[in-house]
Amino acid sequence: GAVVSQHPSWVICKSGTSVKIECRSLDFQATTMFWYRQFPKQSLMLMATSNEGSKATYEQGVEKDKFLINHASLTLSTLTVTSAHPEDSSFYICSATEDFYQPQHFGDGTRLSIL
Amino acid sequence: SQQGEEDPQALSIQEGENATMNCSYKTSINNLQWYRQNSGRGLVHLILIRSNEREKHSGRLRVTLDTSKKSSSLLITASRAADTASYFCATDGRISNFGNEKLTFGTGTRLTIIP
Repeated sequence: GAVVSQHPSWVICKSGTSVKIECRSLDFQATTMFWYRQFPKQSLMLMATSNEGSKATYEQGVEKDKFLINHASLTLSTLTVTSAHPEDSSFYICSATEDFYQPQHFGDGTRLSIL
Repeated sequence: SQQGEEDPQALSIQEGENATMNCSYKTSINNLQWYRQNSGRGLVHLILIRSNEREKHSGRLRVTLDTSKKSSSLLITASRAADTASYFCATDGRISNFGNEKLTFGTGTRLTIIP
């Protein structure tokens, strides 16, 4: 149980393109979803926290107009990297949790490469 | 930075040996968790230890927590080739606008088990 699916797993696109990443909880309702960014051989850095039906809360230094988060249902959150540039290339991982007391369940990540 | 440190950064051992990884953190916590990440994949939750616990076991895993030193250790006994992965500790203690605990990840230990 507690499966989180992230799609796509790998994206390569040209600079200036907007890219949407989906995060779905397959067998539970996720009240909260988290989006992380991970550079090679480094740790995960939290980008934003989102609750269904509410605006996402972004961490300091993360541009909300650059990284658009939509959490329209209890099973789906999307992260859109707008007008992506090479410096946005990274591994993006989402996680979801059913309630305050449950561990976060992670998706398999999306490797984004901007040419 | 609130990010924790893990030690060692990389560890290579022979299959069958025990592996010990350490994590230090900076702020007060409610829980500390350990996660495993296989190369290019998402995170798998291994074990959670609460701030009022000192030791916890799960199969071949043993976690200790010393809140006075703000440190934790993860011991994997009788290591297997399949244990090759990166291991991260994660602490809570920061609350999102929605009431969820936000996780702060350590820098990770890359463990390689040599068959």
